[in-house]
Amino acid sequence: DAEITQSPRHKITETGRQVTLACHQTWNHNNMFWYRQDLGHGLRLIHYSYGVQDTNKGEVSDGYSVSRSNTEDLPLTLESAASSQTSVYFCASSEEVTGELFFGEGSRLTVL
Amino acid sequence: SQELEQSPQSLIVQEGKNLTINCTSSKTLYGLYWYKQKYGEGLIFLMMLQKGGEEKSHEKITAKLDEKKQQSSLHITASQPSHAGIYLCGADGGSQGNLIFGKGTKLSVKP
Repeated sequence: DAEITQSPRHKITETGRQVTLACHQTWNHNNMFWYRQDLGHGLRLIHYSYGVQDTNKGEVSDGYSVSRSNTEDLPLTLESAASSQTSVYFCASSEEVTGELFFGEGSRLTVL
Repeated sequence: SQELEQSPQSLIVQEGKNLTINCTSSKTLYGLYWYKQKYGEGLIFLMMLQKGGEEKSHEKITAKLDEKKQQSSLHITASQPSHAGIYLCGADGGSQGNLIFGKGTKLSVKP
């Protein structure tokens, strides 16, 4: 069965360190997204991609970057982690016809 | 920019009771999605509505989109503990495949 997987599921890091969260999907979707989920804010879009070599900034992109070198993967990098980036991160991919988003299980990041 | 407001923010019901969750948009909805999230897990797609007046059902969950396409409701009949979780509505954010979400409604079902 096709799926979307995130790793690591849990990570604790220190302020200033670089962190990369991996996202891999086997749906063969062109569209991929990264969201963060925080109490009181719900899900907010960080970055998204419509295909290989395409990346776009979302609502809360500062401090984050993504790259899309193939269809299956969209890694999210925090260049210099800050405590404000402590959150749960969700990767998603979508069908172009229906727009339905398929979500990964989430990655819980704690920045100390 | 479009905003989605969900009500109530949280809800505790006795098992077997019916309940309704609402999602109101600041702009016309061209695609409204309902998702369910269990604690520590990802979001699971429930239903999508596109047409004014549209209604869809899956098992004991029914979602409706009003005629003006600015409000949607999610109704659960005879709630069960398995219905507990966070329900989120999402809408087209203006870019292909990009969804914006409401803040969610946390549902607890007491046995």
